[in-house]
Amino acid sequence: DAGITQSPRHKVTETGTPVTLRCHQTENHRYMYWYRQDPGHGLRLIHYSYGVKDTDKGEVSDGYSVSRSKTEDFLLTLESATSSQTSVYFCAITSIQGNTDTQYFGPGTRLTVL
Amino acid sequence: GENVEQHPSTLSVQEGDSAVIKCTYSDSASNYFPWYKQELGKRPQLIIDIRSNVGEKKDQRIAVTLNKTAKHFSLHITETQPEDSAVYFCAASYTGNQFYFGTGTSLTVIP
Repeated sequence: DAGITQSPRHKVTETGTPVTLRCHQTENHRYMYWYRQDPGHGLRLIHYSYGVKDTDKGEVSDGYSVSRSKTEDFLLTLESATSSQTSVYFCAITSIQGNTDTQYFGPGTRLTVL
Repeated sequence: GENVEQHPSTLSVQEGDSAVIKCTYSDSASNYFPWYKQELGKRPQLIIDIRSNVGEKKDQRIAVTLNKTAKHFSLHITETQPEDSAVYFCAASYTGNQFYFGTGTSLTVIP
């Protein structure tokens, strides 16, 4: 599983509260990603990182921010959670070996915003 | 950006029959096409992938075909078994750094 963990695995919060999800990897991968998964939408990219302090937006970045101060950790923050952000959040890494690159996912975080 | 469409959204087959899931992509620069299987409550798991310099790849009961001219690729599962029941996602990438996913196909194999 490419050494990816996510915390917390489940969280229930209230509208308007800040929430931070953590993705941790142990294999020194350069590229890390945050996706959200919703029925009928598949996996949609929120933000991604291509190195420490280097991040960029994905297709559904509004309402989310990220930070990567260390190679192994990629944090996703919802500054003021809304009910539309209720979802399952997956972290992923790209493993690059030679000229091949493969994406692996973390176990997911189920977030419920009441 | 890339746009990946996946069909059908649901698929039911009898055990032992074949299942085919199709995806199209929009960006001719895409050159890597992975397929993921996701069981209920679990993470997506890579099951097979294909790169643009290959037309077909097979791994036991699973195969993927790629038609670059038509910009579509397909997953074929033969001799389906109940444990093949899951949601399957296709994806396309042209940078190796950003992946664009289809909306998923829920496959049910009926014993």
